[in-house]
Amino acid sequence: DTGVSQNPRHKITKRGQNVTFRCDPISEHNRLYWYRQTLGQGPEFLTYFQNEAQLEKSRLLSDRFSAERPKGSFSTLEIQRTEQGDSAMYLCASSLGQHGEAFFGQGTRLTVV
Amino acid sequence: DQQVKQNSPSLSVQEGRISILNCDYTNSMFDYFLWYKKYPAEGPTFLISISSIKDKNEDGRFTVFLNKSAKHLSLHIVPSQPGDSAVYFCAASARGTGNQFYFGTGTSLTVIP
Repeated sequence: DTGVSQNPRHKITKRGQNVTFRCDPISEHNRLYWYRQTLGQGPEFLTYFQNEAQLEKSRLLSDRFSAERPKGSFSTLEIQRTEQGDSAMYLCASSLGQHGEAFFGQGTRLTVV
Repeated sequence: DQQVKQNSPSLSVQEGRISILNCDYTNSMFDYFLWYKKYPAEGPTFLISISSIKDKNEDGRFTVFLNKSAKHLSLHIVPSQPGDSAVYFCAASARGTGNQFYFGTGTSLTVIP
């Protein structure tokens, strides 16, 4: 399977704990995006990378959130001191260049209890 | 500030008939539009896209129409099949300015056998 892969698929954590998610994009894609989706809403943009450079961050990405793409391949999204409002589906997508459609992974469902 | 709007949360259509899903946008800088299909607990799956230099793009049973003056696009599915039942998201981007994708809130399509 050469699609976008996200791990874990599900994560339940206690409020205040840190969590980290991983995304492996399609190998030849140089752009990688993180989105968050809550019930009844469309995906909301969090941040994106071109190769290893983080080029844009949304206002939604508070200082508790950090994303990395150290070698321009896989990416991690870390949430520190999780809050119940962080409960959502976290989606990763990748695309080839500026003109390519984004292909999404299956997402990581985070539940903060 | 919802820049992409899908005003119909749900739509029911008989099998074999046409499904028309609508999407409006507010940002005149958007020049690339996409439709995604999403099943529960999965990430969005890319369906079809259209560039602002075109007013129609067709792929099998799926056709997307773009009316730039009205800032409106629609997805036509003909004929509709029960397997088309899913949530459909419209997305838009301004490829010259950051390339993040803005999503609508989705329309849940039910195709009745």
